[in-house]
Amino acid sequence: AQSVTQLGSHVSVSEGALVLLRCNYSSSVPPYLFWYVQYPNQGLQLLLKYTTGATLVKGINGFEAEFKKSETSFHLTKPSAHMSDAAEYFCAVSEGTGGFKTIFGAGTRLFVKA
Amino acid sequence: DTAVSQTPKYLVTQMGNDKSIKCEQNLGHDTMYWYKQDSKKFLKIMFSYNNKELIINETVPNRFSPKSPDKAHLNLHINSLELGDSAVYFCASSPGQGTSPLHFGNGTRLTVT
Repeated sequence: AQSVTQLGSHVSVSEGALVLLRCNYSSSVPPYLFWYVQYPNQGLQLLLKYTTGATLVKGINGFEAEFKKSETSFHLTKPSAHMSDAAEYFCAVSEGTGGFKTIFGAGTRLFVKA
Repeated sequence: DTAVSQTPKYLVTQMGNDKSIKCEQNLGHDTMYWYKQDSKKFLKIMFSYNNKELIINETVPNRFSPKSPDKAHLNLHINSLELGDSAVYFCASSPGQGTSPLHFGNGTRLTVT
């Protein structure tokens, strides 16, 4: 069975500092991995995804994530935080293709201090 | 121009009532989903429909019944509402059966009193 663990329910950074949100997964087959962002009172938006190929994936708003199979990790980073990045971030994993279901982590709330 | 739209945005009702939430997507996607997000932000899939056919039905009570009149619409009907049904319900869509949800609606906050 697949699962996702996000380390830290809350992360606080200063504006301009590095953002690092941690995600570890377990999967019995090569996983598809995703990061979503949820702003207050809104639905989730897909930030980026990894399916196959290049392990460093670039997404929207300057975010990127690296798939590390040996560490079963898919951490999300951004070199310089902006106030507008404050939101809830969800890591997710899917297995296989065709009718699979996406399992979401518990979320990490990112706070950005001025 | 909203991609995935849900109505209503807020729903307050009493225990035992029956209510419906509607969802429409204008993206031409084949697959639609219903998710439940609890007070701790935990997101759990409830149903998935591909081109009007149910392809995932997680262990949700049969008081919840999804209906898809066409591939652009996926409505959720809930009978005999209980306190534990209070949550935010999200509709989502994706291009096809082999893809994960790409676009989410803004959610329907259901409060059962």
